[in-house]
Amino acid sequence: QSALTQPPSASGSPGQSVTISCTGTSSDVGGYNYVSWYQHHPGKAPKLMIYEVSKRPSGVPDRFSGSKSGNTASLTVSGLQAEDEADYYCSSYAGSNNPLGVFGTGTKVTVL
Amino acid sequence: QVQLVESGGGVVQPGRSLTLSCAASGFIFSNYGMHWVRQAPGKGLEWVAVIWYDGSNKYYADSLEGRFTISRDNSKNTLYLQMNSLRAEDTAVYYCARYYYDSSVNDYWGQGTLVTVSS
Repeated sequence: QSALTQPPSASGSPGQSVTISCTGTSSDVGGYNYVSWYQHHPGKAPKLMIYEVSKRPSGVPDRFSGSKSGNTASLTVSGLQAEDEADYYCSSYAGSNNPLGVFGTGTKVTVL
Repeated sequence: QVQLVESGGGVVQPGRSLTLSCAASGFIFSNYGMHWVRQAPGKGLEWVAVIWYDGSNKYYADSLEGRFTISRDNSKNTLYLQMNSLRAEDTAVYYCARYYYDSSVNDYWGQGTLVTVSS
């Protein structure tokens, strides 16, 4: 199972928005509404930000939003704040024949 | 609150074995599947293995070539990863993560334990 494709980096100034794409295939992203997004600050535990394409866990600011079109999912961070600077990974369910699912390649978000 | 605490990492020589543990608290451990995920230096996240809530099913990344074994002791609320025939490319931070079946998502993660394979 190949990794989902994400841009290596993205950036924006405080208050601006940044959108990260996550491109897979019809066997993963396009085939199921089970796309998740994780925020990872180095040395810390990864944190779930979005699940089932667009749902936010309790406690995640509504500045974070998710969507999907075809084989590509997206994470948008609006009103960028300094603490949003981190690595972001998408993940998708990939069917019962691939119970581990598949991760994205990761995107480093920099707040300028 | 949900807590996952990994332990057992360290420096190990190539070809040797190591067992990682993940102590869970704050939830009914026996109700959830669990994953091991790793991140090699400068690399992204990689699934290692998953085990069903009752240990009935286990799945592994193809890249492991049968060298790792995931297990759990629900009476001790603990997840394990037995790693054999370790290689330099197994050097990574290893995370355990709770798996929420209904949404196919890992909703809680530990802070990780570093495994360094070096002579």
